[in-house]
Amino acid sequence: DAGVIQSPRHEVTEMGQEVTLRCKPISGHNSLFWYRQTMMRGLELLIYFNNNVPIDDSGMPEDRFSAKMPNASFSTLKIQPSEPRDSAVYFCASSSRTGGVTEAFFGQGTRLTVV
Amino acid sequence: QKEVEQNSGPLSVPEGAIASLNCTYSDRVSQSFFWYRQYSGKSPELIMSIYSNGDKEDGRFTAQLNKASQYVSLLIRDSQPSDSATYLCAVNTYNAGNMLTFGGGTRLMVKP
Repeated sequence: DAGVIQSPRHEVTEMGQEVTLRCKPISGHNSLFWYRQTMMRGLELLIYFNNNVPIDDSGMPEDRFSAKMPNASFSTLKIQPSEPRDSAVYFCASSSRTGGVTEAFFGQGTRLTVV
Repeated sequence: QKEVEQNSGPLSVPEGAIASLNCTYSDRVSQSFFWYRQYSGKSPELIMSIYSNGDKEDGRFTAQLNKASQYVSLLIRDSQPSDSATYLCAVNTYNAGNMLTFGGGTRLMVKP
């Protein structure tokens, strides 16, 4: 398996622009997590899905952030409009919520810089 | 209060020593516990998982879980400079929909 795949790896955008981050989870995994990591705040859970359904989005910082999971193979995190304080590394992770074994595996991350 | 607490470090140990990393969590219904290693500029990598009280050993790594004390630890024996990284403790609450919450991480430095 190729693991969790995120794109793009790096994104530089101007303030006010729309940014879309993409994630392909590991095949067969039915939970997907979006995290944001900064030096100041560490690894923060933004939102997670079970079986393509959003379960908890309380970590989404503002209405400017939205996430979708249209099918089991694909999820997006969108920021519109983007602001410099959104600059961070965004990670996607997936796990299998079956059999009580819930190990989660991370993608390589998207480093977002908003200027 | 944060749900998963770790000492941010840095924890400095000499090469060959035992490194001991600690984590406490607040939610008593938490069921699965994980240790991730993250090198600078890289993504977190799962190194240990533990589901029941006691010790679990894998090579130079031993995870210890005490649910009564809400405490989980990671011991690294014969520490190597290549073990220098940030170690993240993560807690999963299966019944709460499989939420996975991380501590702030402990930075480990192994000096040759």
